[in-house]
Formats: sequence, C-alpha cells, structure tokens
Amino acid sequence: GNSVTQMEGPVTLSEEAFLTINCTYTATGYPSLFWYVQYPGEGLQLLLKATKADDKGSNKGFEATYRKETTSFHLEKGSVQVSDSAVYFCALSKNSGYSTLTFGKGTMLLVSP
Amino acid sequence: SAVISQKPSRDICQRGTSLTIQCQVDSQVTMMFWYRQQPGQSLTLIATANQGSEATYESGFVIDKFPISRPNLTFSTLTVSNMSPEDSSIYLCSSNDRVGTEAFFGQGTRLTVV
Repeated sequence: GNSVTQMEGPVTLSEEAFLTINCTYTATGYPSLFWYVQYPGEGLQLLLKATKADDKGSNKGFEATYRKETTSFHLEKGSVQVSDSAVYFCALSKNSGYSTLTFGKGTMLLVSP
Repeated sequence: SAVISQKPSRDICQRGTSLTIQCQVDSQVTMMFWYRQQPGQSLTLIATANQGSEATYESGFVIDKFPISRPNLTFSTLTVSNMSPEDSSIYLCSSNDRVGTEAFFGQGTRLTVV
C-alpha cells in the first residue's frame, strides 16, 4: 500500500537558517505529492504540490521537487522566519478522481529569533 | 478553494458517552472525508461520505463506532460513540471541490476522553 515517511521532529532552527524536512514515499503508479502546514490552533493548509516527476512545487519561499528516482519530496526553505513555526505534513494521493490522502506523521518546526 | 468550518474545536468527554462533530463547507462539494490524528501519529482516513448514500469506511473503522451523516452537499457529521480514552485524538473534516484538485481541511476537533 501507499505510505509516507518524514523526518522526526521537532526541528529547531534560528531565524534565517536553512531548512530541509525530508520526505520519502512508497506508492504504486504515479501519485501526486503535497506538503501541508498546520499553524498553531489552525487547520491544515496546502503549502505546495507537485503532480509529476521532476515538477517543483513552490510557495512562500518553500520548495520541493518530485524525485521519482529516489521517491522523495523534500521540503526546503533558504531562510526561515519565526512565523514559519508550525507542523509540516508530507502527503500523497492517487493522481485522479476525488483522491484521499496518505500522510506522513508530521514534523514540527520551531524557529527562534 | 472552499472553506470548512468544524465544531467543536475541542472537547473533554467522559468515557462511555458520544460526541458529534459538525463540518460545514461554504460551497457544495461531492465528497467529504473524515480523518483521525492520534497523538504522535499520521492522519488516518476514517471514512468517505457522499451525499445520499452510506459512508464508506476504511479498514479498522466501523459504522457503529463512527456513524456519519451527509444530509446535503455542504454538511456532514461524525459521531464518536461509546468513547474510551483511546479515542482521544484530533478529528479532521476534509473535502476537495473538484475532481483532481487538492484537499482542504477544517481546523480539527481535539477530543480528550477521560
């Protein structure tokens, strides 16, 4: 079956540091890949997505590239801010229909001033 | 994308009781989904709810424990029945408004069973 593995948290960084949160997946076929973010007290929000191999999703300074050869979708940001503190979820879905999502466990990011 | 309002946002309940969680979407949607996030775990799909038909449950989840209603295209409820401390989780409602689009979520209901 499908599964998503992402690095354990919390990840603790100082402001302006470089961020990488690793995500690898196991899936049949060609899934779509997503990063969702959950800010404290709020629901999950889509951060970025990629629907085919070598696609790069980007939003708010975050980027992730769909790497089929390594089955990975690592999240990166060149310079984090305190306001980026949140829980980040990597997820995949089948690439058609009203697809449900398979999530990773989530990685908490804490950014200090 | 549409906006989902979910309530209550949190509750503390006695074991053996039931809690109904409501999910309201600000536009008509075909599919609605209910997820559970146990402490330190991934989000796990409980069931998929279509308007006008019975919900489809994932392995490990049954209708007697998690009855779901879907009376119209903008609303759904999930009931957690005969609760035990193991049901303490965050429950999230989700939908996508068109085929092939990404899902959007409510803010979740944090349930604690004592």
